[in-house]
Amino acid sequence: GQQVMQIPQYQHVQEGEDFTTYCNSSTTLSNIQWYKQRPGGHPVFLIQLVKSGEVKKQKRLTFQFGEAKKNSSLHITATQTTDVGTYFCAGRDNQFYFGTGTSLTVIP
Amino acid sequence: DAGVIQSPRHEVTEMGQEVTLRCKPISGHNSLFWYRQTMMRGLELLIYFNNNVPIDDSGMPEDRFSAKMPNASFSTLKIQPSEPRDSAVYFCASSFLQYGYGYTFGSGTRLTVV
Repeated sequence: GQQVMQIPQYQHVQEGEDFTTYCNSSTTLSNIQWYKQRPGGHPVFLIQLVKSGEVKKQKRLTFQFGEAKKNSSLHITATQTTDVGTYFCAGRDNQFYFGTGTSLTVIP
Repeated sequence: DAGVIQSPRHEVTEMGQEVTLRCKPISGHNSLFWYRQTMMRGLELLIYFNNNVPIDDSGMPEDRFSAKMPNASFSTLKIQPSEPRDSAVYFCASSFLQYGYGYTFGSGTRLTVV
């Protein structure tokens, strides 16, 4: 079955440091989405990537879709305390399979 | 739009009782999803509907769980009888699935079965 794994599971960074989470699928994806869930909150849609090798930016966030469309990454430059939360990727088959998530803690 | 509306926000019930969770999707969205989130298992898809029709319920843990979508603006997830291991946050989400839109999640129902 579809498996979407994320690494790392947890990441602690000092404020101002960069952060990257990686998403890997066992199968080729038609597209991939990224979500952020703040502590105690619900997942919020960030972005969707569709094309092989696609790169999209949202301010300090950079999203990349692998050439083989089986992996993706989210990179945050110069983290801030507002970046705290769990970041999920969701890979599309017939439906979206959510990854295991990376919990980011930013130390002021 | 008020977004996806779930009720109740919190539910505490005794083992063996029936629990009904409710969801109102965003108007015009054609797909609705029920997810369960726990620390151990993360986000699990329980069931999803497309145009009010259940498409995939393979994630429903067992027969104690049932879901309905009688119309485009309302869905329920029922657990009968409830067990302590059902304690989790249950999210409803809706989307224009066919256009590849992102899911819009509700605020969730935190269920505690004692």
